[in-house]
Amino acid sequence: GNSVTQMEGPVTLSEEAFLTINCTYTATGYPSLFWYVQYPGEGLQLLLKATKADDKGSNKGFEATYRKETTSFHLEKGSVQVSDSAVYFCALSTAGGTSYGKLTFGQGTILTVHP
Amino acid sequence: EAGVAQSPRYKIIEKRQSVAFWCNPISGHATLYWYQQILGQGPKLLIQFQNNGVVDDSQLPKDRFSAERLKGVDSTLKIQPAKLEDSAVYLCASSPRGFWRGGSYEQYFGPGTRLTVT
Repeated sequence: GNSVTQMEGPVTLSEEAFLTINCTYTATGYPSLFWYVQYPGEGLQLLLKATKADDKGSNKGFEATYRKETTSFHLEKGSVQVSDSAVYFCALSTAGGTSYGKLTFGQGTILTVHP
Repeated sequence: EAGVAQSPRYKIIEKRQSVAFWCNPISGHATLYWYQQILGQGPKLLIQFQNNGVVDDSQLPKDRFSAERLKGVDSTLKIQPAKLEDSAVYLCASSPRGFWRGGSYEQYFGPGTRLTVT
């Protein structure tokens, strides 16, 4: 079956530091990969996505590259801000067999950025 | 464009009571999902509808959980009777279409309903 493993948190950084949150996956078929973000008190929002190998998703300064050879989709940002403090979820979806596009999520990584 | 609406936002009940959650997806979205998010974990799919038909309910505890999507629009999720382990945030999401070979189209999430069972 499908599964997603994220680096354990929480992650605490100072403003302007470099961020990496590791994500690896196991999937059948041809997965699409996503990063979702959940700000305090809000619902999940799509941050970025990639639908095939070597694709790079990017948004709001965040980037992640779909690496099929290492089954990874690590999230990076060159300079974090206090406003980036949130919970970040890596997720994948596949279609075929018993999967109809549902999202399979990692456990989430709490990011706290201090001024 | 209005987002996914859910109500109530918070609910506290005692174990063995029943509870219902409501979701109104984005207008025109054919696919609707209910996820359960237990504290400290990622969301887990409970049930997926395509229009008003069930596509996947393999993770739904059918002895106590039920869901329906009348007329392919709004949906309700019910728990009867509730257990302590049902305490979680229940998320509703919708998508314009269901899925393609590479997976799902973008899913848009509502704010969730936080359920506490005492």
